[in-house]
Amino acid sequence: DTAVSQTPKYLVTQMGNDKSIKCEQNLGHDTMYWYKQDSKKFLKIMFSYNNKELIINETVPNRFSPKSPDKAHLNLHINSLELGDSAVYFCASSPTGPNEKLFFGSGTQLSVL
Amino acid sequence: DAKTTQPNSMESNEEEPVHLPCNHSTISGTDYIHWYRQLPSQGPEYVIHGLTSNVNNRMASLAIAEDRKSSTLILHRATLRDAAVYYCILRDEGYGGSQGNLIFGKGTKLSVKP
Repeated sequence: DTAVSQTPKYLVTQMGNDKSIKCEQNLGHDTMYWYKQDSKKFLKIMFSYNNKELIINETVPNRFSPKSPDKAHLNLHINSLELGDSAVYFCASSPTGPNEKLFFGSGTQLSVL
Repeated sequence: DAKTTQPNSMESNEEEPVHLPCNHSTISGTDYIHWYRQLPSQGPEYVIHGLTSNVNNRMASLAIAEDRKSSTLILHRATLRDAAVYYCILRDEGYGGSQGNLIFGKGTKLSVKP
């Protein structure tokens, strides 16, 4: 069983559309994250949720809205997609506690045309 | 911003040891040193972490300088599957909102030749 799974793996869409990326973890972790990896391969944290509550919200446009229906899921909804949103988005999870290791999903490659 | 400095790339031969260096001269007393790697087309994967003492696990060893201003990730016998980008990251031991904020730098791209 995949520990952290994201769907879809690839997402191609037009500018201005609204899209969602789903993430599920079956590790029983309390904390989940979204990271963005741009074309230069820099990985930056976007959001962190602990027990369905937002913990970290880095400088991310309001068009990005995470939703955590339960602690096993953290979905990412993006409104009014822009060309600059094209990137690979990674979901991750970890137990709660100092220095717990993160488990990452395999990524969703978003291409905005 | 990343607080570590790593070489952009390194090459290794298969079956030989690899020493990946990382400088972190501004490390604080509560910063742990973490290493993650990212294989092509995959998400990052935890490798190892430590505070002051050298650490070993099934994947690698971590050698930490006495002054903690540098560290070295050691892959004892590189395989083709070890070709990846290796990230050295400082992470504060503090519990709370910042605990998950792994700040990735550019990392070191390791190539392994057969």
